[in-house]
Amino acid sequence: DAGVTQSPTHLIKTRGQHVTLRCSPISGHKSVSWYQQVLGQGPQFIFQYYEKEERGRGNFPDRFSARQFPNYSSELNVNALLLGDSALYLCASSLRGDSGANVLTFGAGSRLTVL
Amino acid sequence: AQSVTQPDIHITVSEGASLELRCNYSYGATPYLFWYVQSPGQGLQLLLKYFSGDTLVQGIKGFEAEFKRSQSSFNLRKPSVHWSDAAEYFCAVGARAAGNKLTFGGGTRVLVKP
Repeated sequence: DAGVTQSPTHLIKTRGQHVTLRCSPISGHKSVSWYQQVLGQGPQFIFQYYEKEERGRGNFPDRFSARQFPNYSSELNVNALLLGDSALYLCASSLRGDSGANVLTFGAGSRLTVL
Repeated sequence: AQSVTQPDIHITVSEGASLELRCNYSYGATPYLFWYVQSPGQGLQLLLKYFSGDTLVQGIKGFEAEFKRSQSSFNLRKPSVHWSDAAEYFCAVGARAAGNKLTFGGGTRVLVKP
């Protein structure tokens, strides 16, 4: 069975540009979460979607947005990129998204470099 | 709000020796606790979790962790380390009302000496 797949795996952008990252959850999983991992730090929560509705948002500026599609895949969009947005962006999926007792399965991430 | 502290940034251990990674959390109610491992350039793999019940939990790859409510700790242990255990380890806490929002610690990097 395929795990959580993310694309692209690596990308380089310049300041001010926009980026879209994509995530396909494990088949049957209805919740997708996004995390940002800056080099040398632990992941930080950005968004959670469950049944196509936003269920949680972390402390990130409005330049960050996301959505979940009817097939439960998800996109993370970041506008007006800053150097500080350089990070590994991790997507995680779970069967449900309505309590903290869900087990998250993470993808390998999309590494974004902003120059 | 939840928080997680992993006091050790780096730990070096000899192959075959035991390993203990410390994790302290701050949360007002009973937390959901997790340990994840991350190899270089990879995503996170779940080692084990604690939701309720027996405070000593067994995980994959021979790891175990013990939840101690009185100490707000969830330390990870392995009796005998293998070279393949070299990686970064993250402790995380979740909450019933927080959906899939996990709060991670800063991580502990484990180096294994031959």
